[in-house]
Amino acid sequence: GENVEQHPSTLSVQEGDSAVIKCTYSDSASNYFPWYKQELGKRPQLIIDIRSNVGEKKDQRIAVTLNKTAKHFSLHITETQPEDSAVYFCAASWGNQFYFGTGTSLTVIP
Amino acid sequence: GAVVSQHPSRVICKSGTSVKIECRSLDFQATTMFWYRQFPKQSLMLMATSNEGSKATYEQGVEKDKFLINHASLTLSTLTVTSAHPEDSSFYICSAGARDYGYTFGSGTRLTVV
Repeated sequence: GENVEQHPSTLSVQEGDSAVIKCTYSDSASNYFPWYKQELGKRPQLIIDIRSNVGEKKDQRIAVTLNKTAKHFSLHITETQPEDSAVYFCAASWGNQFYFGTGTSLTVIP
Repeated sequence: GAVVSQHPSRVICKSGTSVKIECRSLDFQATTMFWYRQFPKQSLMLMATSNEGSKATYEQGVEKDKFLINHASLTLSTLTVTSAHPEDSSFYICSAGARDYGYTFGSGTRLTVV
């Protein structure tokens, strides 16, 4: 099956700085890569996603890049704010199979 | 957007009893539902995938006789934790959707077995 690795596991940044979270996957058949934000005790919320026919996608302060050859994709958050503090999960999917990374706990320090 | 309802949000049960968790897609037909388990500060671990009208596909290491999954309709899937024990205490969360529609998470169920 698919194996998704995510780094770092914890990340602290100063408010206003950028945060980058990286994921790698093993199954070249994976073609859909969503990112989720999960606040404590709540459901994961989809924040951005990218498909394998696209190399980069941006939505305001959030961007995702995908390198299919290297099998890695990254989440970039610019101008971080305290409300960005949460756990972020990447996932790799093909068909209807989803596999999640181990999560990154992001803390934005005011 | 798609809405997925999960109930109950919290449940406390005695060891040895069974607990049923429901996952409903409220405004769309979910051909596929996933069940995940999440331990504190850990990732979501896929337990099983269920397609409407067919048997669930369980991930390796997940006991199908202990975690009974039923996906009887396009809007409802249930997870029953049978003969629950304290080690089954966890956050269980479903995700529902369709291949070209996307997938949405339920609100999760915090199960505590005492």
